[in-house]
Amino acid sequence: QSVLTQPPSASGTPGQRVTISCSGGNSNFGTYTVNWYQQLPGTAPKLLIYNNDQRPSGVPDRFSGAKSGTSASLAISGLQSDDEAEYYCGAWDDSLNGYYVFGTGTKVTVL
Amino acid sequence: EVRLEQSGAEVKKPGESLKISCKGSGFSFTTYWIAWVRHMPGKGLEWMGMIYPSDSETTYSQTFQGQVTISADKSSTTAYLRWNSLKASDTAIYYCARGWVRAGPYDYWGQGTLVTVSS
Repeated sequence: QSVLTQPPSASGTPGQRVTISCSGGNSNFGTYTVNWYQQLPGTAPKLLIYNNDQRPSGVPDRFSGAKSGTSASLAISGLQSDDEAEYYCGAWDDSLNGYYVFGTGTKVTVL
Repeated sequence: EVRLEQSGAEVKKPGESLKISCKGSGFSFTTYWIAWVRHMPGKGLEWMGMIYPSDSETTYSQTFQGQVTISADKSSTTAYLRWNSLKASDTAIYYCARGWVRAGPYDYWGQGTLVTVSS
């Protein structure tokens, strides 16, 4: 059971803005930055956002991240059919000798 | 070009041993962390542990401590994940991923290795 909680699903029509939340705690988000990963069906995860709000080279600016206290969010603006995927937040956690933890995952559906 | 190339799919019986691999290329293998991530059918991603190939320092998730062994060979720029005795519940896709600092994130991922354990 992950310590990072995400809603199981989110949806929107093409062109809409969708926001995904991720709730953590003091041992992870309270100390470390948040990262987001996109996993398209049948493929390996891809880093989408790192250090709360930074985009790796090649990631469109339609994707944006934010963190406030022990909560984080990923926003997808101008939703496209290609965005239909599973999205995971992730962060280092200081408890239990330290480990990396992924969120529970959110399936985004483009209607 | 940065690449993490994983070994092919495996079908094993319960109780058998297995070692899968992840070969890094296009970057300095000894200056990055290599993590292993499990993805069970219909479930989320689970971080298993990681290794720093420069000195073989390893960190395991408590869930996987004692269940698997992570190792690396600097000379062949390859990381490994080993089981001594597989269980049906080990059936999953296993990914390796590269992290530039100990706390992540993971910017490059292997293509995944499907491990099926069935009698």
